[in-house]
Amino acid sequence: GQQVMQIPQYQHVQEGEDFTTYCNSSTTLSNIQWYKQRPGGHPVFLIQLVKSGEVKKQKRLTFQFGEAKKNSSLHITATQTTDVGTYFCAGLSGGSYIPTFGRGTSLIVHP
Amino acid sequence: DSGVTQTPKHLITATGQRVTLRCSPRSGDLSVYWYQQSLDQGLQFLIQYYNGEERAKGNILERFSAQQFPDLHSELNLSSLELGDSALYFCASSLGSGATEAFFGQGTRLTVV
Repeated sequence: GQQVMQIPQYQHVQEGEDFTTYCNSSTTLSNIQWYKQRPGGHPVFLIQLVKSGEVKKQKRLTFQFGEAKKNSSLHITATQTTDVGTYFCAGLSGGSYIPTFGRGTSLIVHP
Repeated sequence: DSGVTQTPKHLITATGQRVTLRCSPRSGDLSVYWYQQSLDQGLQFLIQYYNGEERAKGNILERFSAQQFPDLHSELNLSSLELGDSALYFCASSLGSGATEAFFGQGTRLTVV
């Protein structure tokens, strides 16, 4: 079945440093979603990417979908303590409309 | 606030028992999804209902079952509970059944002792 791998599992950064998490799928994806879960909270939808090579920005967050639609990345510029949380990618492929979640990357920001 | 309501927030029960988790989706959403989140397994999809009918099944154990009622709220029933069933159970809802944005509830933390 489809597998979605996400790296790194954890990332410690100093406040102001950049952060990137990567998501790789074993199969070609029809689209990919990104969610953020704050400590003790629930996943919150951030964005959905559909097109090959698509790049979308939300303030300091940049999301990319690979040309082959098998990988994606989330980049945060100049991290802030409010960025702390676990970032999940969730990919859909084939005829499935249930996204497969990656294991998530936990971002820890040190002030 | 996502608009998705889950009850209870916390549940502690003994092995072998049966519990029911409840979820009210966002107003207007027809799809309800159930997920299990544990430290070692991440976010695992269990089951989806769309407008009262089961639409997709994931890694849901036979001891677990779910349903969606005419008013679109959903219940997840967990029986013959084992220690390993301790986890955070999330309900999510979306407008359609396709690849659309899902809104998660606050979750029910289940502890089996």
